[in-house]
Parts: sequence; C-alpha cells; structure tokens
Amino acid sequence: GESVGLHLPTLSVQEGDNSIINCAYSNSASDYFIWYKQESGKGPQFIIDIRSNMDKRQGQRVTVLLNKTVKHLSLQIAATQPGDSAVYFCAEKGGSTLGRLYFGRGTQLTVWP
Amino acid sequence: KAGVTQTPRYLIKTRGQQVTLSCSPISGHRSVSWYQQTPGQGLQFLFEYFSETQRNKGNFPGRFSGRQFSNSRSEMNVSTLELGDSALYLCATAMGGGSEAFFGQGTRLTVV
Repeated sequence: GESVGLHLPTLSVQEGDNSIINCAYSNSASDYFIWYKQESGKGPQFIIDIRSNMDKRQGQRVTVLLNKTVKHLSLQIAATQPGDSAVYFCAEKGGSTLGRLYFGRGTQLTVWP
Repeated sequence: KAGVTQTPRYLIKTRGQQVTLSCSPISGHRSVSWYQQTPGQGLQFLFEYFSETQRNKGNFPGRFSGRQFSNSRSEMNVSTLELGDSALYLCATAMGGGSEAFFGQGTRLTVV
C-alpha cells in the first residue's frame, strides 16, 4: 500500500450508480485498514475502517470488503452523488508499524450529474 | 468534539529558512503522525509521536524534526528549506496505534 505512482487511477460514474474502488495492499502483517476521502485543498477525511478479523463492514452508503487471501480491499459507494467526487485512499497499518499508515496511490472518483 | 487543528494553513518561505508547523490533536488522542503530500510522491510518512516520544520515523533527512508536548500537541520543524519541500503537510491523530486516525486540514508550505 505504499504510494508509488505519479498517475492516479480514475473512475467516472453517473450520479445514482454504485461505485467500486479497489486497493491492493502489500503487507501480510497488516491488521487494520482505513478508507479516506480527500477533496481538493482539504485533508483526508475518515470514511470507514475494517480489522483483519472481518471480511465486510458497512456504513452509511459505503461498504468495505477485505480479502486477505489476495490482499485486496474494496470500497463500495451506493447511489453515488456529485459530492462523492474526490480522491479515495486506502491505508493499512499493522505489524510493528504502530501508528504509521501506509497509503495506496489513491483513486480519483468523478461523478457526473 | 473539535477536530484536528493545524496551523498555519498556508506558509510561504524562502530557501534556506526554517519553518515550524503545529498540530493540535482531538481531545484524548495521544498519537500524532506527520505526513508530507506531494503530487509526485503521494502521502509520505514523516514520523509519529506518542506520549512525547518519537516511536516511528520515515525516510526523510535530518532537516525534518518534530516533538510532542505533554498536552499531546505536536510541532514539526523543517530547517534549511529547499524548493522540494513545498508540499501539503498533514498530521493525523489517534487514541493509540491501532485505532482510527483522523487528519487535519494540513499546512500548505510553498518554498520560493
């Protein structure tokens, strides 16, 4: 889940559709995962988290799925709205890293009216 | 409950100068981490403080330093600024190492 690239993956969806944002993480010892939303000019905003003893967790309009076998995390947003347009980051923590978060590259979500 | 507060929001400094940024955590949060965000490198971890002790450090030169006070507020300092230090500096706070981490709005540093 380290940030490695210059170019963000992008996802464009129509308002009202469901969005799925994917993330691959690298550390098998990671036991805690967080999704953040970052709007232009603002700090990352906590959306939802999940611990490694769970496969799925639901929030308001969002669901996070964790597949530890293939080290994959996804964020599903139901009934996507224009206000959901932002960059979405997954972050992982665990092992001996204490409070340190490892971030993915981020995905730019654009919602069209 | 007040969120994470970072000051100042914007800074313009000249090469060679030094700068100090401040982060006030959410009440009860004892862990404060600092990140540098640039378009090219994304979010890069600087260091983490917990109960006034640095317990984790990223791969940044010694020009980058920090500290945490007894009230959990944290400062980071960058000395001998370089153009490449221009970035959004973010702090994230949490109750402990394995709990939710919340970010401030960041300090936008521009080095000219």
